[in-house]
Amino acid sequence: ETGVTQSPTHLIKTRGQQVTLRCSSQSGHNTVSWYQQALGQGPQFIFQYYREEENGRGNFPPRFSGLQFPNYSSELNVNALELDDSALYLCASSQDSNQPQHFGDGTRLSIL
Amino acid sequence: QKEVEQNSGPLSVPEGAIASLNCTYSDRGSQSFFWYRQYSGKSPELIMFIYSNGDKEDGRFTAQLNKASQYVSLLIRDSQPSDSATYLCAVRSQAAGNKLTFGGGTRVLVKP
Repeated sequence: ETGVTQSPTHLIKTRGQQVTLRCSSQSGHNTVSWYQQALGQGPQFIFQYYREEENGRGNFPPRFSGLQFPNYSSELNVNALELDDSALYLCASSQDSNQPQHFGDGTRLSIL
Repeated sequence: QKEVEQNSGPLSVPEGAIASLNCTYSDRGSQSFFWYRQYSGKSPELIMFIYSNGDKEDGRFTAQLNKASQYVSLLIRDSQPSDSATYLCAVRSQAAGNKLTFGGGTRVLVKP
């Protein structure tokens, strides 16, 4: 059984650029959630997708957007990057929106 | 008041002893409770979840939930140096859209 996979593992961008992060959910999982984890803090919920529809959103501005595809993989897009966007971005998938979530290895994004 | 609170630690525990980690939460509508372990530079790994009041045991780990006191704890018996990590408490409320709300984590150091 393949777990949650994320790409890329590391990324360096400059302020004002745009970035797309990708996530493949675990086999049999239809729900994907995205989190931002700053150094030394717990993960912060960005949004969740359930069967291709956004199913909840945290306190992040509209320049954070996402998609879920028919195979339940997902993308996180961030426009107009800011220095504070530097963080570990985590994707988690679950069998359903109310089941335990399992995390991928994350994408470490650095903004210069 | 933070939604989910944990002592940041470090909690220093001798090898073979019991590590006791605590977590309090503010949303009385919370229904599901999770403990994740996160090694430095890695992503969170689910180790326990609990939905009902009382104790739940899995190997060396025991989760305890008291909804009346809005308190969840994790006990690690026979602590090993490999248990040295940050332990994240996460809480989910269906009313909040099934998102996971994390505490800041407790760093545990198990000394040989």
